[in-house]
Order: sequence, then C-alpha cells, then structure tokens
Amino acid sequence: ILNVEQSPQSLHVQEGDSTNFTCSFPSSNFYALHWYRWETAKSPEALFVMTLNGDEKKKGRISATLNTKEGYSYLYIKGSQPEDSATYLCAFKTFGNEKLTFGTGTRLTIIP
Amino acid sequence: NAGVTQTPKFRVLKTGQSMTLLCAQDMNHEYMYWYRQDPGMGLRLIHYSVGEGTTAKGEVPDGYNVSRLKKQNFLLGLESAAPSQTSVYFCASNLAGQENYGYTFGSGTRLTVV
Repeated sequence: ILNVEQSPQSLHVQEGDSTNFTCSFPSSNFYALHWYRWETAKSPEALFVMTLNGDEKKKGRISATLNTKEGYSYLYIKGSQPEDSATYLCAFKTFGNEKLTFGTGTRLTIIP
Repeated sequence: NAGVTQTPKFRVLKTGQSMTLLCAQDMNHEYMYWYRQDPGMGLRLIHYSVGEGTTAKGEVPDGYNVSRLKKQNFLLGLESAAPSQTSVYFCASNLAGQENYGYTFGSGTRLTVV
C-alpha cells in the first residue's frame, strides 16, 4: 500500500498571513498528484491536478508545486482569509493504476 | 447540472441488516468510485468502476458489493451490516483520460450501524 503523508496535521494561521503545507508521496512510478479542498459538511472540491515534475499551478491566492523526483508537493496560500479554513487533501496516483490514494489532510483554521 | 448525487444522506442500520447506497452522476463520466472516510484516516477506496458493466476492488472491499448497470449509476451494497462499517461514504466520478481534472465528489452518506 502506497503511503501519502501530509504535514502538518493541523495549523492555525492569522488572517492576512501566508502559509504552506506539504504532501509527501513515493516517487517511483509517479503518474499524478491531486489537491482537494474540503470544507466542513461539504464534499471535497478539486483544486489542482499535477502530472509533470516542476509543475506549478495557481488559482487565485492558492498555488501548488510538484517535485516528482523527491516525492513532494507544496500547497501555498497567500494572504489567508477566513474562507480558506478547510481541510486540504492531497492524493497520489501511480502509472497504470486507477486508484487514487489519499492522505489524511491538513486542517487549516484562519483566525480573524 | 446536479453533478454527483448520493442517496440517502443519513441512515442508521441494525447489525445484520442490508442496504444499498446510490450514486448518480449526470456528467457522462466513465469512471466512478466509492470511498469511505473514517476519523484519522484518509479516504479509502472500496470499489470502483471504469465503465458500464465493469467493477473492480479497491483497498477495503470486504463486506461490500457494487454494481454499475447504467453508466450514470454506481450502487454500493452492504449485505449484512457490521458496526465496523459505520462510516461516511463518498462517491466520486471523473472523465476517462482527463488527467488534468480532479474527481467530482458527492456530498456523502453518513451510515451508523448499531
């Protein structure tokens, strides 16, 4: 079973500050890395899917980078807002495998 | 456009009872998945389907069966519910070959087995 590890498990950030967290995954046979945002009482919502080493994706104040050789991805949030409070999930897929393996998430709380 | 719809949203079962969870999507997605979410664990894949009439086992398939008779529907069955199957169940779908798009998830079914 492939392990996807996310750190930290949780963090509290002051409104207006920037933050980042990490997703680590096995680097062999890499195919795709997904990031999802999951608000309480809602369903996970796709943020990014990255497939190439060195990929960088951006959506508004949120961006992500990917290093497939060393097996990690960073998610950055610039100028945190209360609406950014959510659990951020990453998930990993290997080549030729339909299974997307999820991490346990980083729970982000923005303090007004 | 409803996306992915799961029914029911909540259910309480007695040990040994059976039930079926329904997942319906209106996006013409080929691939559909059933996951379970338990405290302290990531979403774990139960079963999945890559097209109408096909199903395959995921990471935690024991105690569950699935069927994909129509492209838009993916059913998850519990033949004899056990307390260990108390969980939140999520259905997801995506379009085959569209690796730049993430999964679309339903809103979940909270199942309690007593």
